[in-house]
Amino acid sequence: GAVVSQHPSWVICKSGTSVKIECRSLDFQATTMFWYRQFPKQSLMLMATSNEGSKATYEQGVEKDKFLINHASLTLSTLTVTSAHPEDSSFYICSAKGLRADSYEQYFGPGTRLTVT
Amino acid sequence: GQNIDQPTEMTATEGAIVQINCTYQTSGFNGLFWYQQHAGEAPTFLSYNVLDGLEEKGRFSSFLSRSKGYSYLLLKELQMKDSASYLCAVLDSNYQLIWGAGTKLIIKP
Repeated sequence: GAVVSQHPSWVICKSGTSVKIECRSLDFQATTMFWYRQFPKQSLMLMATSNEGSKATYEQGVEKDKFLINHASLTLSTLTVTSAHPEDSSFYICSAKGLRADSYEQYFGPGTRLTVT
Repeated sequence: GQNIDQPTEMTATEGAIVQINCTYQTSGFNGLFWYQQHAGEAPTFLSYNVLDGLEEKGRFSSFLSRSKGYSYLLLKELQMKDSASYLCAVLDSNYQLIWGAGTKLIIKP
C-alpha cells in the first residue's frame, strides 16, 4: 500500500515552454502533497505544500507564478513549470501524506527528471 | 535557524557494520526519519523515531537521543545494494520535514 506515481518519469523541453508533472496517490487518499526539487549531489529542497481544495503554500524563494501547483482531488496534484529555462533542469519529486492525523510519514513518487534545452 | 548535519560520504566493506550519524538543531521536534535514496530514484522510508532509544528492523537499526539532538542509523551485514544516500529528516514544531544533505554510502567488496 501507499504507492505514489509520477508522470512523466523524464521530460526534455525547449526553453520557454511549459511542462506539467502529475503526482497521484494510487491506493490511498492524500490530504497533503509536497513538491521537492533536487539538484545533483544535493538534498531535497521543499518547493511547496499543497492541500486538497486550497492554494499551495510556497517556500521562500520559490516563485508561485512560475511553479503552478494544483491539488484538485485527494489523489492528484500537478506541478506546472511555466516558461522553463535551463536552470529549471532538475529532479522533481512529489510526496504524499495520508489521511491519518497521527501519521507524518511521506510516501514518495519515483521522481521526474526535467531537462530544459 | 534550523540545521541538520550528517557526514557527506562514508565508505565501508561488504559484510561489515556502518553507523551514520545525524545531529540536529530545529525549532521543535516531532520525530526523526531516515530515508534511503539510490541514485536517480526517490527516497524510500527506513525508520521513524520519536522516543529515545534504539529501534531495530532487520539489518537496519535507528537510535535517537532527544536531549543530545542526535540520531544514528546502523547498518549491519552490509550488502552491495546498500550503496546509496541516506537522508536524515526532522519533523519540526510545524510538522514540517527538515532535510539533511544526505550521506553517500559506498560499499566496497
